[in-house]
Amino acid sequence: AQSVTQLGSHVSVSEGALVLLRCNYSSSVPPYLFWYVQYPNQGLQLLLKYTTGATLVKGINGFEAEFKKSETSFHLTKPSAHMSDAAEYFCAVSPRGGKLQFGAGTQVVVTP
Amino acid sequence: DTGVSQDPRHKITKRGQNVTFRCDPISEHNRLYWYRQTLGQGPEFLTYFQNEAQLEKSRLLSDRFSAERPKGSFSTLEIQRTEQGDSAMYLCASSDPGATNEKLFFGSGTQLSVL
Repeated sequence: AQSVTQLGSHVSVSEGALVLLRCNYSSSVPPYLFWYVQYPNQGLQLLLKYTTGATLVKGINGFEAEFKKSETSFHLTKPSAHMSDAAEYFCAVSPRGGKLQFGAGTQVVVTP
Repeated sequence: DTGVSQDPRHKITKRGQNVTFRCDPISEHNRLYWYRQTLGQGPEFLTYFQNEAQLEKSRLLSDRFSAERPKGSFSTLEIQRTEQGDSAMYLCASSDPGATNEKLFFGSGTQLSVL
C-alpha cells in the first residue's frame, strides 16, 4: 500500500524567493517518486522523477527534489520563484512504475 | 502533435443522463490510464489498460462506470445515470511500459458538470 502526504494546500512566495513544497510518502516497496505541475485548465506535466541512483534529482524549470529514505520525504525546491511558477503541484508515488498515487496537491501563489 | 488528446474538453449534463468521453493516447503507448480529479484533490486512479485488456479497476469505479479500449488504441469512459457527485475532471494518461523509466503523459482532461 502506498500513500502521499503534501504538507500545506496553499503556499505563497515572493518573486525571487525560495520555493519549498513538502511531500512525505509511505510505500511497502522502494518507490518511484514524482512531482507534477498543473496549470489552470491543463493536464499534468512531469517536473521530475526519482527511480534509483542519485537522490538529488533535477527537473525542468529550475526545480529539483531530494529523496530522503530515512525521512520518507521527497521535497521539491526552486531557489528563486518566478511568476510563471504559479500553479498547482502534485507529488506522486508508484511501485516501480505505472499506476500513480497522488497527493492532494499544493497551490503555489507567487507575489510580486 | 503526438500528445494525449481527450474529447470533449467540457461536458455539461443533467442528472440521470449518460455521458461518454474519449481518449486518444500517444500512438506507440500501449498502456492507458483513467483518473478522476475533484476540486482541491489530487487525481485518483480509476482504471488502466494494457493494449485492449483492462488490467485493474479501482473500487471508485462503480457499476455505472465502464471503460473500453476495443482495439488497443483509443479508449472510452462511459458514465451511466450520472449523479452530481460525478462532477469532476476526468484525466487520461498513456505510457510505454517498455521504455526505460516509464512515465505517464497526461491529456488536458474532460471537465464534467452534472446539474
